[in-house]
Amino acid sequence: QSVLTQPPSASGTPGQRVTISCSGSSSNIGSNIVNWYQQLPGTAPKLLIYSNNQRPSGVPDRFSGSKSGTSASLAISGLQSEDEADYYCAGWDGGQNGDLVFGGGTKLTVL
Amino acid sequence: EVQLVESGGGLVQPGGSLRLSCAASGFTFSNYWMFWVRQAPGKGLVWVSRIKGDGTITRYADSVKGRLTISRDNARNTLYLQMSSVRSDDAAVYFCARAAVSGPYPSPPDYWGQGTLVTVSS
Repeated sequence: QSVLTQPPSASGTPGQRVTISCSGSSSNIGSNIVNWYQQLPGTAPKLLIYSNNQRPSGVPDRFSGSKSGTSASLAISGLQSEDEADYYCAGWDGGQNGDLVFGGGTKLTVL
Repeated sequence: EVQLVESGGGLVQPGGSLRLSCAASGFTFSNYWMFWVRQAPGKGLVWVSRIKGDGTITRYADSVKGRLTISRDNARNTLYLQMSSVRSDDAAVYFCARAAVSGPYPSPPDYWGQGTLVTVSS
């Protein structure tokens, strides 16, 4: 199983706000930054959030990230059909000399 | 524009070897840590290996240590993954990815290639 724990699935209706959690420990989330990636079906992952809560240019402000203690969250507001994808959290385990670890992924379904 | 294009995937027998390549463009390749990340069919992302911009530091996931070797040719702007003693659980799409920040310390990836599929079967 993955070092970082995510719910396997999440869902919402268009316009709704959904959150996806990512739980870790003091050796990873508790002491390092968290990134979030979006993977549309059949495509490569895309960086969605970096350094816990920063959005790369081009990512809509509907997407936001937060971190508290050993957990992080991704929030998507104003849900749209094109948001249907797999979402992964990621970060260092053991610091920058450690391993890059990912959550198991959350499949978001837009109902 | 940053581009990462993987190649070299295909069918390999258990115990066999394969070399994956990742051609990079649109940035100063030698300044960035690079990663290999894999994804088995229907499964999540798993980090495999990373290498410093000058090639002097490498690190591997425990599951691939001693069997997979990461390297780079900065003159050719190309990242490699040499796969040896391949096992059935190595079957996956292999993505190369670039660290988000240039410099001596690694940062999680920002840009990813489209991936290359490795199938393991006799």
